[in-house]
Amino acid sequence: SQTIHQWPATLVQPVGSPLSLECTVEGTSNPNLYWYRQAAGRGLQLLFYSIGIDQISSEVPQNLSASRPQDRQFILSSKKLLLSDSGFYLCAWRVTPAGENSPLHFGNGTRLTVT
Amino acid sequence: AQKVTQAQTEISVVEKEDVTLDCVYETRDTTYYLFWYKQPPSGELVFLIRRNSFDEQNEISGRYSWNFQKSTSSFNFTITASQVVDSAVYFCALSEGGATNKLIFGTGTLLAVQP
Repeated sequence: SQTIHQWPATLVQPVGSPLSLECTVEGTSNPNLYWYRQAAGRGLQLLFYSIGIDQISSEVPQNLSASRPQDRQFILSSKKLLLSDSGFYLCAWRVTPAGENSPLHFGNGTRLTVT
Repeated sequence: AQKVTQAQTEISVVEKEDVTLDCVYETRDTTYYLFWYKQPPSGELVFLIRRNSFDEQNEISGRYSWNFQKSTSSFNFTITASQVVDSAVYFCALSEGGATNKLIFGTGTLLAVQP
């Protein structure tokens, strides 16, 4: 069965420090991968998505970047965190059989607090 | 452009009451998919249902039921005989398909079920 691992679960970082959040998927190959952020207002904002290795699309210009060095690994990074980067970060995956729109499966999330 | 509106920010009911969560969507595509997710206090997002735009048949799963009406662009979710464990934030989402299969979420409805 497929599983998604996301870490760390919580993180407190000072303003200006770097960030690296990692997400890996097991039990499937060539998934679509996504990073979402949930701010205090509860809405889910799509940050990045990837349909293959080294294929990253950014949805919102910001202080963050994403990389996919391996098929089932998705990394969210920042060189210098801002206070506004605080939030709940969720990684998700889906497989996309031809002609079908499968649901997203989410990791447990990382709660990031920038101080 | 895609848009999902969940006008109800918060709903509070007493256990055993029925409750309906509203979802209205906007899309220009004729082929699209609608989803509902549940986010309990622990934070993870749990997939509940997917419906494609060609299937307007209502669906029932235990105490959960969904009413999809293309004429009003709505995909409402009803919980019958609510329980305390139903307390969560519920998200409606829309995907227009294609290779990226991006999921656009509404802002969520916080459901509080009181004992």
